[in-house]
Amino acid sequence: AQKITQTQPGMFVQEKEAVTLDCTYDTSDPSYGLFWYKQPSSGEMIFLIYQGSYDQQNATEGRYSLNFQKARKSANLVISASQLGDSAMYFCAMREASGGSYIPTFGRGTSLIVHP
Amino acid sequence: DAGVTQSPTHLIKTRGQQVTLRCSPKSGHDTVSWYQQALGQGPQFIFQYYEEEERQRGNFPDRFSGHQFPNYSSELNVNALLLGDSALYLCASSLSGSLFPNTEAFFGQGTRLTVV
Repeated sequence: AQKITQTQPGMFVQEKEAVTLDCTYDTSDPSYGLFWYKQPSSGEMIFLIYQGSYDQQNATEGRYSLNFQKARKSANLVISASQLGDSAMYFCAMREASGGSYIPTFGRGTSLIVHP
Repeated sequence: DAGVTQSPTHLIKTRGQQVTLRCSPKSGHDTVSWYQQALGQGPQFIFQYYEEEERQRGNFPDRFSGHQFPNYSSELNVNALLLGDSALYLCASSLSGSLFPNTEAFFGQGTRLTVV
């Protein structure tokens, strides 16, 4: 079974609009962390936002917020006021404690295109 | 202040050959992790080096090996190349053995390896 599922291969949004990128995860570990990364065409992965499984509030970082619904095992990324520079691949990832090691797992990504 | 640098940026090899990829971590970082990203997929964790030792390893065969030098730079070696090894290889640096990328981890732009 996939540990991280991103069901949207591609998303389109108008500049200045908000967009939600979906991510669901699967784990039986009570302690885990969820991450979102941006990967522009240049290749490097850029960290956007982090949510710990015990965090009570949804994480926010500037225009990025994470809609964490623990019971549904979802961790959707919300980008407010989209900009042309937001066009990129976005990856959801999870770190879980598995026998004391924290092996990260990434989803397959969502391609976001921002239209002017 | 240079970030994470990887070399070469692109590489073409023949099946059965061996390849060495290089990574210089961000200044002040002492931990290097390697990832393989096949086309259309998210990155997969290969292994991590800290204090010149392999600390964690993902689900990759022994054909994948690595090394970390006293200056914290690292090499990824792949022997007996297969067509399926064609991918973007990403290096991430962080501090003090932290396994998973977080706000204190930085990725390089990757080495695009093509096996023909």
